[in-house]
Amino acid sequence: NAGVTQTPKFRILKIGQSMTLQCAQDMNHNYMYWYRQDPGMGLKLIYYSVGAGITDKGEVPNGYNVSRSTTEDFPLRLELAAPSQTSVYFCASSSLGHENTEAFFGQGTRLTVV
Amino acid sequence: QKEVEQDPGPLSVPEGAIVSLNCTYSNSAFQYFMWYRQYSRKGPELLMYTYSSGNKEDGRFTAQVDKSSKYISLFIRDSQPSDSATYLCALGGDKLIFGTGTRLQVFP
Repeated sequence: NAGVTQTPKFRILKIGQSMTLQCAQDMNHNYMYWYRQDPGMGLKLIYYSVGAGITDKGEVPNGYNVSRSTTEDFPLRLELAAPSQTSVYFCASSSLGHENTEAFFGQGTRLTVV
Repeated sequence: QKEVEQDPGPLSVPEGAIVSLNCTYSNSAFQYFMWYRQYSRKGPELLMYTYSSGNKEDGRFTAQVDKSSKYISLFIRDSQPSDSATYLCALGGDKLIFGTGTRLQVFP
């Protein structure tokens, strides 16, 4: 019962470095999402995907890129990391649009840019 | 205009109190309305969801949706210290948007 798996759990990046946050789900969900959560704040949608090969921008897409080549995987790419990208990143998946609309979340990736 | 507005609180209530949490939204395209609970340093977990106007009850929790007013509420009866958490409303369609969350503390 893996659900949604995010790697890594923690990462420290230097300004200007790049990295990819990995997200994989084994529930055959069509919808996947990336959020960031700043301290004491809610979740802000970065990118989402309604199926393999389809991605769309959310509320705060600048500085990020995504791809969805398979149903299972939805990696988030940070290019030229900036201190403003210090946050906790959550990946989620759901079968939204069907009877079971629950979004399942990964455990989060705590990213610090210094 | 933000797509969803939620009072961030914090809200502090005594054990046994009735808690009312609310969100307003602007886009009538949203079809699903949810409440998530998030404990510190954890991912959110679904508490309740509904897709129609009216009330939905689950134990001590009642979710209320008024599509005409674009207003959703969560009521917690007989609140317990274990209910202390951040509660986030969420709106779903193709994308899933969250409110800022209301931090609730229930003290004994």
